Amino acid sequence: AQSVTQLGSHVSVSEGALVLLRCNYSSSVPPYLFWYVQYPNQGLQLLLKYTSAATLVKGINGFEAEFKKSETSFHLTKPSAHMSDAAEYFCAVSEKDYKLSFGAGTTVTVRA
Amino acid sequence: GAGVSQSPRYKVTKRGQDVALRCDPISGHVSLYWYRQALGQGPEFLTYFNYEAQQDKSGLPNDRFSAERPEGSISTLTIQRTEQRDSAMYRCASSATAGVSYNEQFFGPGTRLTVL
Repeated sequence: AQSVTQLGSHVSVSEGALVLLRCNYSSSVPPYLFWYVQYPNQGLQLLLKYTSAATLVKGINGFEAEFKKSETSFHLTKPSAHMSDAAEYFCAVSEKDYKLSFGAGTTVTVRA
Repeated sequence: GAGVSQSPRYKVTKRGQDVALRCDPISGHVSLYWYRQALGQGPEFLTYFNYEAQQDKSGLPNDRFSAERPEGSISTLTIQRTEQRDSAMYRCASSATAGVSYNEQFFGPGTRLTVL
């Protein structure tokens, strides 16, 4: 069975500061891992995905994530937060059955 | 091109009524997924289709929930005899090809269902 744990339901950062969102997964097989972002009144939008090609994955809007098998982690980072990064972020894992299993989400607020 | 659309965006109904939620996927997308998202939680898988065939319905909570995609395009999720615990955001997603676990799923804006 696959599952995802996101540490911290809310994260507050200052504009220009590092954004770090934590995600740990459990999976019986090598997983595919995703980060999605949800802006108010919009659908989830894919930020990036890990498909075993490279452990450091770069996504849209300056975000990146690193897959660490030994730590079963896939943390999301952005070096410098922007006001437009305020949103809810979801980590998800997929195994062979195609369906996504999501974490509970982390809401990011950005302080001016 | 247009993304995934869902209608209605908001639905308020009384306990015991039936509701039908519609999903219009991206044109040409083979796979279609339904998820349910409770407040403060991530989406949870309900069911998915490849073309018109329902491949997996293991996430449907009980037999009051059903879904169809008769022509391999638009899908309807139906909840019969609604209960207050059915209140949630219902999200639809589609992906371009079948049988690929790392395919991006494109999500619609969701339908917010409130059962009074």
